[in-house]
Amino acid sequence: ETGVTQSPTHLIKTRGQQVTLRCSSQSGHNTVSWYQQALGQGPQFIFQYYREEENGRGNFPPRFSGLQFPNYSSELNVNALELDDSALYLCASSLKQGAYNEQFFGPGTRLTVL
Amino acid sequence: SQKIEQNSEALNIQEGKTATLTCNYTNYSPAYLQWYRQDPGRGPVFLLLIRENEKEKRKERLKVTFDTTLKQSLFHITASQPADSATYLCALEGYNTDKLIFGTGTRLQVFP
Repeated sequence: ETGVTQSPTHLIKTRGQQVTLRCSSQSGHNTVSWYQQALGQGPQFIFQYYREEENGRGNFPPRFSGLQFPNYSSELNVNALELDDSALYLCASSLKQGAYNEQFFGPGTRLTVL
Repeated sequence: SQKIEQNSEALNIQEGKTATLTCNYTNYSPAYLQWYRQDPGRGPVFLLLIRENEKEKRKERLKVTFDTTLKQSLFHITASQPADSATYLCALEGYNTDKLIFGTGTRLQVFP
């Protein structure tokens, strides 16, 4: 186990609704990255938060937004849900201190949009 | 845009044999190439990292090679065991980005 936790584990929503997913980073880590993994695909980078500021974003629309809190936990918010948003959402935490910073993944939240 | 290709078909091998998985990429010059293992319904677990100036890295039964001219990495599991059955993901990372670009993964099935 990596020490990264995510909640909830599963979630079912309908099109047009909004959802908030949560991630608690590993102790001592200051960076959280979020990824979306559709069935049969590899994870795709959504964005990263470092010390409460967005620090890089992938090719996702503005309805995907996030927050990082002073304790370095993080939230991913998705507005106006679409069917294609159904996926496993993964967060990964790391300690940004050099050129390479190993990322530790949580178990993910499975989101189903009906 | 960057593209990473892994064998989309599952790899089925017999216990004790060496499994070899391939990762090819285009339109990218990664600083690091990483391999992860992912079990169904779980997050990826880091296995090995190799830097752009390294040719080979080993860890126990695992070996990774990295050819930046061919833009290819090979991942080997020697003396494979049924417990090695999982999906293996290749991921690229640039300098100072912390952004991982993943391939689609290859499912490995090791039969007793």
